[in-house]
Amino acid sequence: QSVLTQPPSVSAAPGQKVTISCSGSSSNIGNNYVSWYQQLPGTAPKVLIYDSNKRPSGIPDRFSGSKSGTSATLGITGLQTGDEADYYCGTWDSSLSAGVFGGGTKLTVL
Amino acid sequence: QVQLVESGGGVVQPGGSLRLSCAASGFTFSISGMHWVRQAPGKGLEWVAFIPYGGDNEYFAESVKGRFTISRDNSKNTVYLQMNSLRPEDTAVYYCAKDKAGYQPYNWGQGTLVTVSS
Repeated sequence: QSVLTQPPSVSAAPGQKVTISCSGSSSNIGNNYVSWYQQLPGTAPKVLIYDSNKRPSGIPDRFSGSKSGTSATLGITGLQTGDEADYYCGTWDSSLSAGVFGGGTKLTVL
Repeated sequence: QVQLVESGGGVVQPGGSLRLSCAASGFTFSISGMHWVRQAPGKGLEWVAFIPYGGDNEYFAESVKGRFTISRDNSKNTVYLQMNSLRPEDTAVYYCAKDKAGYQPYNWGQGTLVTVSS
């Protein structure tokens, strides 16, 4: 049981848009930055979004992040087959004094 | 460019110990916090531990508290994870990651596999 809640899977057609939600509480998302990670099969996670809504250099603007209250959202537009991966949200939990991740969302591009 | 290379993984019996290392390069290690994150086979990411750049006030997941310790040697640009009293449920790929301010794992290594089995 993860501290952060993500849908297990989402799917959409190539070229379409998808959003992945991440729900938490005031002790984690509500008062800390959220990061989003993409993990392609057999590889290490890669950061897509940090500070809740910033993209590292080299990450296309098709990827976006937002946060409202105790929830965060990752948006991906112009879906490509290469976007098929597992996506994780992560943040710090001030009550636990520990890092926490969502359970992960598997994106399928139909 | 930031490079993180983990080593020290392997097969260990339940109750045994292992020390993982993560060699860092391409950034100023002495002013960077470092995380360890693990991923059991077929499962999601689990945060394990964090050490600030000053090396004090280490933080641990409840699942490893009292069994794992994290340390760093700024002269060697290396962070360590000492794992004692290992259990089968500790079997996972262990990643080290450089922190982005705000306790955010940012740059990740390629991981090292730890298998706890008799």
